Amino acid sequence: EVQLVQSGAEVKKPGESLKISCKSSGDSFSNYWFGWVRQMPGKGLEWMGIVYAGDSTPVYSPSFQGQVTISVDKSITSAYVQWSSLKASDTAMYYCARAKHGDTWFDPWGQGTLVTVSS
Amino acid sequence: QSALTQPASVSGSPGQSITISCIGTSSDVGGYNSVSWYQQHPGKAPKLLIHDVSNRPSGVSNRFSGSKSGNTASLTISGLQADDEADYYCNSYVTGNIYVFGTGTKVTVL
Repeated sequence: EVQLVQSGAEVKKPGESLKISCKSSGDSFSNYWFGWVRQMPGKGLEWMGIVYAGDSTPVYSPSFQGQVTISVDKSITSAYVQWSSLKASDTAMYYCARAKHGDTWFDPWGQGTLVTVSS
Repeated sequence: QSALTQPASVSGSPGQSITISCIGTSSDVGGYNSVSWYQQHPGKAPKLLIHDVSNRPSGVSNRFSGSKSGNTASLTISGLQADDEADYYCNSYVTGNIYVFGTGTKVTVL
């Protein structure tokens, strides 16, 4: 069974950096896209961006361009999203999700990583 | 791109059918047959219900069905059950591997 397992909850201060991960198990890693989704407390899902594991090419939602960096490491079949300088408004649950190359839907999803940014 | 528009809430009694709309534009919902629907129970990760407008993955109940007309996609839940009480989100491909979610709909089973 394919699974996406995300790294654990993080508590950070404004201005700090952070990189959270999404470990993929199962079949061929390079044939998939890995997307990241933000869900702020009590709010809806927001699509942040996606990265193709085949060539590590990221694509960002205009709302998140320049705010985060999305990447993959094929050697350990993991996808990442990172911040260079966190803000309180980055406090949210972050989900990763997988799409097969050529498909336009996301399944499965990771369990989520809660990021709390507070001074 | 702007979020797709969904009703904030929809309710129904057990056994009834309800429909959730997802309104986009010709640049997203209307431009591609790439609409998917996700169910999210409180405190849980989203789960895929429908892909490519009307296709159900294996394991998803046939009580869930999807359709599209023009710039509006719809999710219908028939034979409403208590466990259907959750948040529902549509998602559409936009362009260049960019996607957009709907605003989300809270379904309440009366």
